[in-house]
Amino acid sequence: DAMVIQNPRYQVTQFGKPVTLSCSQTLNHNVMYWYQQKSSQAPKLLFHYYDKDFNNEADTPDNFQSRRPNTSFCFLDIRSPGLGDAAMYLCATSRDAGTQETQYFGPGTRLLVL
Amino acid sequence: GQQVMQIPQYQHVQEGEDFTTYCNSSTTLSNIQWYKQRPGGHPVFLIQLVKSGEVKKQKRLTFQFGEAKKNSSLHITATQTTDVGTYFCAGGGGSNYKLTFGKGTLLTVNP
Repeated sequence: DAMVIQNPRYQVTQFGKPVTLSCSQTLNHNVMYWYQQKSSQAPKLLFHYYDKDFNNEADTPDNFQSRRPNTSFCFLDIRSPGLGDAAMYLCATSRDAGTQETQYFGPGTRLLVL
Repeated sequence: GQQVMQIPQYQHVQEGEDFTTYCNSSTTLSNIQWYKQRPGGHPVFLIQLVKSGEVKKQKRLTFQFGEAKKNSSLHITATQTTDVGTYFCAGGGGSNYKLTFGKGTLLTVNP
C-alpha cells in the first residue's frame, strides 16, 4: 500500500544532542511537509519541500533544518534539542502544491528530550 | 495572517448523542479540509469542501461550508465510541502551500 512512513516512532535524545528524524513516502508526491505537534495543540508547519525547493516558515527556529535527498525521503534535523522541542513530529505529503491538495500524514515520531 | 478558530475545544457526550464542531476563519477560504486524529495517532483526511454553501455527508457525518466561505461545521449524528478523537479543520487560501489548522475539538464518548 502507498503510504508515508516515519522512523523511528519514538526517539529519546539528550539536551543539546543532535537528532535526525526520517520520513519516506511511496506515494510519489511532489510536496513533503514537516509539522510539530505539541500535546492538545494543532499541528504547526515547520517547513516544506516542493520537489527540491525548500520553504521555511518564518517562525521556525534555526535549530530546525531539513534535507530532501530525493523524492521519497525527507529528514528533519534538530541541531541542539531543547526541552521545549519535545513534541510529536509529523511528516505529511501532498501530490502537488496548492492548498486544495489533500495532505497525507505519517504516523509521527514522538521526541523526548532529557 | 490567516487564522482559523475552532470551537469547542472539548466535547464530552453520551453514546448516541449528536456532536458538532465549528470553524471560523478570519479571511475567505479557497477550501476547507477536515481531519480526524485518534488518541496517539496521526491526522487522517476526512473530507474537503470547496464550493460556497457546500454540504457533504459521510454516513453519520455531515460537513458544511458557509456561504461566505469563512466558516464550516462538522456534525456527527448518534455518536459511537469509535468517533472518539480530535477533529481538526484546516483552511486553505492564504499562502499557496499552507493549510491553517484550527486547534481541534477533542470528542470523548461515554458508552
